[in-house]
Amino acid sequence: DGGITQSPKYLFRKEGQNVTLSCEQNLNHDAMYWYRQDPGQGLRLIYYSQIVNDFQKGDIAEGYSVSREKKESFPLTVTSAQKNPTAFYLCASSILRSTEAFFGQGTRLTVV
Amino acid sequence: DAKTTQPNSMESNEEEPVHLPCNHSTISGTDYIHWYRQLPSQGPEYVIHGLTSNVNNRMASLAIAEDRKSSTLILHRATLRDAAVYYCIRNSGNTPLVFGKGTRLSVIA
Repeated sequence: DGGITQSPKYLFRKEGQNVTLSCEQNLNHDAMYWYRQDPGQGLRLIYYSQIVNDFQKGDIAEGYSVSREKKESFPLTVTSAQKNPTAFYLCASSILRSTEAFFGQGTRLTVV
Repeated sequence: DAKTTQPNSMESNEEEPVHLPCNHSTISGTDYIHWYRQLPSQGPEYVIHGLTSNVNNRMASLAIAEDRKSSTLILHRATLRDAAVYYCIRNSGNTPLVFGKGTRLSVIA
């Protein structure tokens, strides 16, 4: 059963702690993406990767970090430097230069 | 900058057709027009895309203006499960998708 898996679905953290969100895909896609969504807003791009061991900043990369050590995995770390980390985080993947992206079900992060 | 313009919200009665408009007046020749939709608390899902010709699939139809400056997503018979935010995106495939705020579609039983 191919797809993208994000875990966990809900995550609570104390302010000042780093937290890592998982994203795994078994679609053999080269490209992977992380987006952030705030209530009533569209998705904003945090980071993306088109090949293993390489990634590029999106529009709102400050306070976040990523790694791409394996093709299947693209974890996102929300660091303590991110001023407003509470949001809905979405991971996606696609064939390189494709027009169709596949999204995970998202992780809702709440920082208290 | 999403570079597309959509109404904030629309309403439809169940089992009636819905026409969701999108303006993309600065579209380049290599940009495809994509539509995604997002159900509550879920990730977006692909609906349809096209370049110049009208397109049909099992979910919807896409009508593209001859000058490509606008397009319309057509849901032939709206159901309650079609209530979602619909995003119109122009993209050539060389860069990540850029999402605007989309159109929130409400379906009334």
